[in-house]
Amino acid sequence: LAKTTQPISMDSYEGQEVNITCSHNNIATNDYITWYQQFPSQGPRFIIQGYKTKVTNEVASLFIPADRKSSTLSLPRVSLSDTAVYYCLVGDSDKLIFGTGTRLQVFP
Amino acid sequence: DTEVTQTPKHLVMGMTNKKSLKCEQHMGHRAMYWYKQKAKKPPELMFVYSYEKLSINESVPSRFSPECPNSSLLNLHLHALQPEDSALYLCATRLGGDNSPLHFGNGTRLTVT
Repeated sequence: LAKTTQPISMDSYEGQEVNITCSHNNIATNDYITWYQQFPSQGPRFIIQGYKTKVTNEVASLFIPADRKSSTLSLPRVSLSDTAVYYCLVGDSDKLIFGTGTRLQVFP
Repeated sequence: DTEVTQTPKHLVMGMTNKKSLKCEQHMGHRAMYWYKQKAKKPPELMFVYSYEKLSINESVPSRFSPECPNSSLLNLHLHALQPEDSALYLCATRLGGDNSPLHFGNGTRLTVT
């Protein structure tokens, strides 16, 4: 099971683009990379998932290099409501383990 | 709004009480999970049910007893808990297959006195 490493915290300002990286050096061939967002006293919420190259949806983009040993979640033009903890999960089975996550604080 | 419903939202229990947490989903998901989350920590995997059978138990103490009565319901029975078991208990479900994402409820905030 691939272990993930993320920065503990990041600060940004409203309107800026935020990039959160996740390192997963031991990722297996069948593993997908999935990102979740969690607000206080709520369950994590699915943001985006990818296997390789780039994936984009209405809220974020996910960049995965060719070696797949890392990934970057990109949040365009963040707002105060994007203040949350962001988790990167890697795996392809039922055993889904959360890493420490990145606490993003957005300031006015 | 969440498609995974957890009840109760809050629970206070003494160390000698027996209580149950409930989780319900109607999305046809075949995998159901219990996670425990302490303040400012990531969710910690406890149990996984796949097709209503317990498939993963992360060495959880026996005072926590999971049950999956049918494909829509997941329970967590609690008995003789300790104050350190106070936490947010999260239920999650997954459609199945290798890469389907987790869908979480908003949890039950448990306080053990």
